[in-house]
Amino acid sequence: GAVVSQHPSRVICKSGTSVKIECRSLDFQATTMFWYRQFPKQSLMLMATSNEGSKATYEQGVEKDKFLINHASLTLSTLTVTSAHPEDSSFYICSARKEAAYGSNQPQHFGDGTRLSIL
Amino acid sequence: AQSVAQPEDQVKVAEGNPLTVKCTYSVSGNPYLFWYVQYPNRGLQFLLKYITGDNLVKGSYGFEAEFNKSQTSFHLKKPSALVSDSALYFCAVRDKVDSSYKLIFGSGTRLLVRP
Repeated sequence: GAVVSQHPSRVICKSGTSVKIECRSLDFQATTMFWYRQFPKQSLMLMATSNEGSKATYEQGVEKDKFLINHASLTLSTLTVTSAHPEDSSFYICSARKEAAYGSNQPQHFGDGTRLSIL
Repeated sequence: AQSVAQPEDQVKVAEGNPLTVKCTYSVSGNPYLFWYVQYPNRGLQFLLKYITGDNLVKGSYGFEAEFNKSQTSFHLKKPSALVSDSALYFCAVRDKVDSSYKLIFGSGTRLLVRP
């Protein structure tokens, strides 16, 4: 299988706090992980591509200092929403792709998402 | 840039009937196409992919998709729908930017299967 674990599944916190979300590939190594944001009844918006051992590549319009991404190992990437405000409330989903060593054209596998609510 | 379009926001079918969820694509070069399903408050689950080869691709849970180059379509199908198939379905295309790949998703189609 290809299991991606995302934690926590739900976070409720006060405005101004920072929130860290973890994404782990449990049974495979992932050189590349992706972070998405999904608004209600909308599609997924790619926020950034996370590469193990290097800086993340952010999509246009995504604040790097607001959404800190760390990909320290082949099985773990973290997204930290710094000084969160109500407008950051959303459903955040991570995704990981198996390394090419597993075979070419591997699909992306997704975590179950984190629902972030900022009061 | 690569893109996919899902023209229907919602599809309704009766249980036991065949279902089709539409997707059209716009790519330069050979398309790498995917279908994912999302259940409420969950991430996306991979259903199937088309890279090359047979135009009819079989995937998980009895789903299949037909790649049609002349119509630039990649419709998702199932011969007999189940109530449990009710979910949000996303078509996606792989895009290459610089040296990395990323998925571009369609807007999603909500499938409702009536008992």
